[in-house]
Amino acid sequence: AQTVTQSQPEMSVQEAETVTLSCTYDTSESNYYLFWYKQPPSRQMILVIRQEAYKQQNATENRFSVNFQKAAKSFSLKISDSQLGDTAMYFCAFMKHNWGNTPLVFGKGTRLSVIA
Amino acid sequence: EAQVTQNPRYLITVTGKKLTVTCSQNMNHEYMSWYRQDPGLGLRQIYYSMNVEVTDKGDVPEGYKVSRKEKRNFPLILESPSPNQTSLYFCASSSPAGRTNNEQFFGPGTRLTVL
Repeated sequence: AQTVTQSQPEMSVQEAETVTLSCTYDTSESNYYLFWYKQPPSRQMILVIRQEAYKQQNATENRFSVNFQKAAKSFSLKISDSQLGDTAMYFCAFMKHNWGNTPLVFGKGTRLSVIA
Repeated sequence: EAQVTQNPRYLITVTGKKLTVTCSQNMNHEYMSWYRQDPGLGLRQIYYSMNVEVTDKGDVPEGYKVSRKEKRNFPLILESPSPNQTSLYFCASSSPAGRTNNEQFFGPGTRLTVL
């Protein structure tokens, strides 16, 4: 079974600074996807960024980028120029690639606070 | 607008009183799933459905039922709720992973409290 570990329960960052959230995962699959979801106080689950395991290039979405290290099974999220609206719980998630059930396997989350 | 809707958004009930949380999506997705979110545990899959009339258990199915009579709807049924089912529930939908875009779209969540 796959597992996802987020070792930082809480983090804080000054507005406009850069912060990196850690995520490691364990799997024997060779083809899979990795995601970062943001959950603000509204509780909505918002997809921040995704990475296909077969792609070597790290995904980027505006101020958000990942450092995907497949051999190390590491998938960290970097938020540049942090904004107050980035305050949220962040979940790392894994999904294997197949035609059957494809549940997202989530880490326990990292609560990020952006401080003015 | 492409979306997943859930109702109700908030529900307080008592032990043993049957309830249903509805989930509907307008994206013609085959795959739908229910998760529960508990503090310190992240989200865990309860049940999933690959298509109409095809459902199966996820990681934490005890105490729950689902049905998939129509492609757009995937209700979650608690026949006899207990306090340990107090949680935040999310419905999600997507096209199968074999398609090019397998992003799972989440509903807004249902906060359930069982007294």
